[in-house]
Amino acid sequence: GAGVSQSPSNKVTEKGKDVELRCDPISGHTALYWYRQRLGQGLEFLIYFQGNSAPDKSGLPSDRFSAERTGESVSTLTIQRTQQEDSAVYLCASSRTSGPGNEQFFGPGTRLTVL
Amino acid sequence: AQSVAQPEDQVNVAEGNPLTVKCTYSVSGNPYLFWYVQYPNRGLQFLLKYITGDNLVKGSYGFEAEFNKSQTSFHLKKPSALVSDSALYFCAVRDRVSDYKLSFGAGTTVTVRA
Repeated sequence: GAGVSQSPSNKVTEKGKDVELRCDPISGHTALYWYRQRLGQGLEFLIYFQGNSAPDKSGLPSDRFSAERTGESVSTLTIQRTQQEDSAVYLCASSRTSGPGNEQFFGPGTRLTVL
Repeated sequence: AQSVAQPEDQVNVAEGNPLTVKCTYSVSGNPYLFWYVQYPNRGLQFLLKYITGDNLVKGSYGFEAEFNKSQTSFHLKKPSALVSDSALYFCAVRDRVSDYKLSFGAGTTVTVRA
């Protein structure tokens, strides 16, 4: 597609339920990133995928968070047993490679609300 | 560790006046610096970046930024602001050790009044 797409755009769930968020990166982009944006705050890095290399999961806040990516395509971020503090906008980004000069292109985000 | 500071939560300017959004950074070594803009209910859009070379970088929508190594700053500027520039602006830095991780500032909300 023309840009990074994410689904759903909004998700409301009850505390304790699992949620799955989807990201479709720009075609041909080998690097994919997940960030979390809490209200009034900057972006927190969550996880990074580059091709078939092992992902960098150093930003995942707890073992309730996990993410997968198949090859250089779609990625899913899963949050198990959601808590109210998980409420945030989850942003996905992709870049042509992981080279430092390559800007990241962001999707519109998924707004997650945990009741 | 790399970090970014945006000292102003909000910037308010009148349309037609110059706009400046401040950013300072901390990295080990030489930085890669980026500015992104976020419009309501939309994802971040890339504005410009500094990698190397000329300290004055020109980007989208008439924005520019000046890299100042001695002051570790990368302020975003626009000579004449438009109402449509009202948005949330993020500065980000990437160091050359962890090539891919971007560290973002907390953001600055810009309001341009007509």
